[in-house]
Amino acid sequence: DQQVKQNSPSLSVQEGRISILNCDYTNSMFDYFLWYKKYPAEGPTFLISISSIKDKNEDGRFTVFLNKSAKHLSLHIVPSQPGDSAVYFCAAKADTGNQFYFGTGTSLTVIP
Amino acid sequence: NAGVTQTPKFRVLKTGQSMTLLCAQDMNHEYMYWYRQDPGMGLRLIHYSVGEGTTAKGEVPDGYNVSRLKKQNFLLGLESAAPSQTSVYFCASSYSGGHYTFGSGTRLTVV
Repeated sequence: DQQVKQNSPSLSVQEGRISILNCDYTNSMFDYFLWYKKYPAEGPTFLISISSIKDKNEDGRFTVFLNKSAKHLSLHIVPSQPGDSAVYFCAAKADTGNQFYFGTGTSLTVIP
Repeated sequence: NAGVTQTPKFRVLKTGQSMTLLCAQDMNHEYMYWYRQDPGMGLRLIHYSVGEGTTAKGEVPDGYNVSRLKKQNFLLGLESAAPSQTSVYFCASSYSGGHYTFGSGTRLTVV
């Protein structure tokens, strides 16, 4: 059963506007979360992380929010740029675990 | 500064053939992983290793074997390929289980 879910397979946003990508998880033991970005024919690249002791982490145009009670995290991209067009994966891990569990990905298209 | 290198990048196999995918990392990472990516399924873990000489099963290990004889290399073997193993395979490594560095992937087609 999928422990990390990204329920929106795709998202289109105008350049300059905010992109919000969502991710839900079911395992309450997860305490470390990542977002990856993937271009076609390339491997995923690490974007931003957050641990469960925080509810927000910011890195330039990218901000990740964590709502532990709702088991939900989101990635905000402001302002969105055409180069942000890619597939975004969220991933989660428990402190005692050895692996990250990945969502199915959301394909973001930023329209110039 | 290569990071994680996967070979080959593409391969077509006939059902029943065997092959080995090679992953090499130059970052002195302890942990290494093999994932497969299928449409609508995300990235699923096949096998992983937490150090030289160790391996463990992930979510979808059936039909695959792995070996980690050297710290920098992690090999994924298919003994008898099946069409269900058509996928894109990604190797990754990490320092003590933190965020991964991925290779660029191997696209495998089994006909």
